[in-house]
Amino acid sequence: SAVISQKPSRDICQRGTSLTIQCQVDSQVTMMFWYRQQPGQSLTLIATANQGSEATYESGFVIDKFPISRPNLTFSTLTVSNMSPEDSSIYLCSVVRGTNNEQFFGPGTRLTVL
Amino acid sequence: GEDVEQSLFLSVREGDSSVINCTYTDSSSTYLYWYKQEPGAGLQLLTYIFSNMDMKQDQRLTVLLNKKDKHLSLRIADTQTGDSAIYFCAESINSGYSTLTFGKGTMLLVSP
Repeated sequence: SAVISQKPSRDICQRGTSLTIQCQVDSQVTMMFWYRQQPGQSLTLIATANQGSEATYESGFVIDKFPISRPNLTFSTLTVSNMSPEDSSIYLCSVVRGTNNEQFFGPGTRLTVL
Repeated sequence: GEDVEQSLFLSVREGDSSVINCTYTDSSSTYLYWYKQEPGAGLQLLTYIFSNMDMKQDQRLTVLLNKKDKHLSLRIADTQTGDSAIYFCAESINSGYSTLTFGKGTMLLVSP
């Protein structure tokens, strides 16, 4: 498995502000992803965080709204910009480790936007 | 397109077996996973199965895969109250991209 930490674990933010979420892994990983889990819903992939290049975004997600950094193979950040109440969700990072395509998730960041 | 379907809710008594079902549509799925999410927590990888397998057993967990019907199930033997959680089925196409498509999750409630 992988030891993955996220900061903050939760936050309550005001509309129009931005929040940066950090994801730290205990060892180097090639593939790192960011997901969103809206209340009562399943997980939706936001983007793949690429080390040394721009993130690859899924349909419906754009860099201006969700800028992502990946400065090295153990760390990534996701920023939720110009927040609205619709951005209230759990944001999770995940990494792929092992030859069997096992994907491990961080504990998540629970974001509430007022 | 990819689609993963699960029943939304299952209620069992402690000590009984639980069976959580999942169907998927993409026949090129290579890996199928079960994740557990306890209240307020992240996702815990429980087990996974390759598409060339029919069954995988891991302690109290048994995964059955019917590739013809694109049906996956998770059986939990001797279900305990600590098993109460949301269980997500997910599929992956091993294109090297390694992204997962998740079902909406099945809430398992275990009563004493």
